[in-house]
Amino acid sequence: GQQLNQSPQSMFIQEGEDVSMNCTSSSIFNTWLWYKQDPGEGPVLLIALYKAGELTSNGRLTAQFGITRKDSFLNISASIPSDVGIYFCAGHSTSGTYKYIFGTGTRLKVLA
Amino acid sequence: DTEVTQTPKHLVMGMTNKKSLKCEQHMGHRAMYWYKQKAKKPPELMFVYSYEKLSINESVPSRFSPECPNSSLLNLHLHALQPEDSALYLCASSQGLLGDTQYFGPGTRLTVL
Repeated sequence: GQQLNQSPQSMFIQEGEDVSMNCTSSSIFNTWLWYKQDPGEGPVLLIALYKAGELTSNGRLTAQFGITRKDSFLNISASIPSDVGIYFCAGHSTSGTYKYIFGTGTRLKVLA
Repeated sequence: DTEVTQTPKHLVMGMTNKKSLKCEQHMGHRAMYWYKQKAKKPPELMFVYSYEKLSINESVPSRFSPECPNSSLLNLHLHALQPEDSALYLCASSQGLLGDTQYFGPGTRLTVL
């Protein structure tokens, strides 16, 4: 099915470093969601964005809804070992379908 | 409370077996979803129920049969599955459709022998 371009695909970082990842689309979206998934578990919602330009924080996480409505960014500050996992973005198009389009995922590994 | 529960956590079945996956939410959400997820891939939508009626079937083979007995429950009946159907099956719910935030359950790890 249709997928969003999410980058980077994977990253290894040192504990304490900041992390940035993003999703881009050729379509305009009206909602962006960011999830974290641990192995064998379901995705856990981190942040939901509903408005172009919106900047929302959840603890050390900050996400932004791009002004063009075609992209979104997730930043993690001062990473810790439990930040390890796969991060997915999901976007909902203004075309009126019921489907969320998922990004391909960013696999994050934190080195202590 | 934003909890979606799924049972069982793990399921192993043969290709001739019939089994069911169950999902429950008590958030008053009126839309519920089944997704299939293969390793290292994003979730793939299978079915969408809205107000207990099937709204979307993403061309899923008939060996997967969804059922929504009431607004809180969603089942996925499995029959004559193939080994390639082994995956993590995720249930999700949202207040409504059209961009409402989706909350996922923990998933059922299915292995078909």
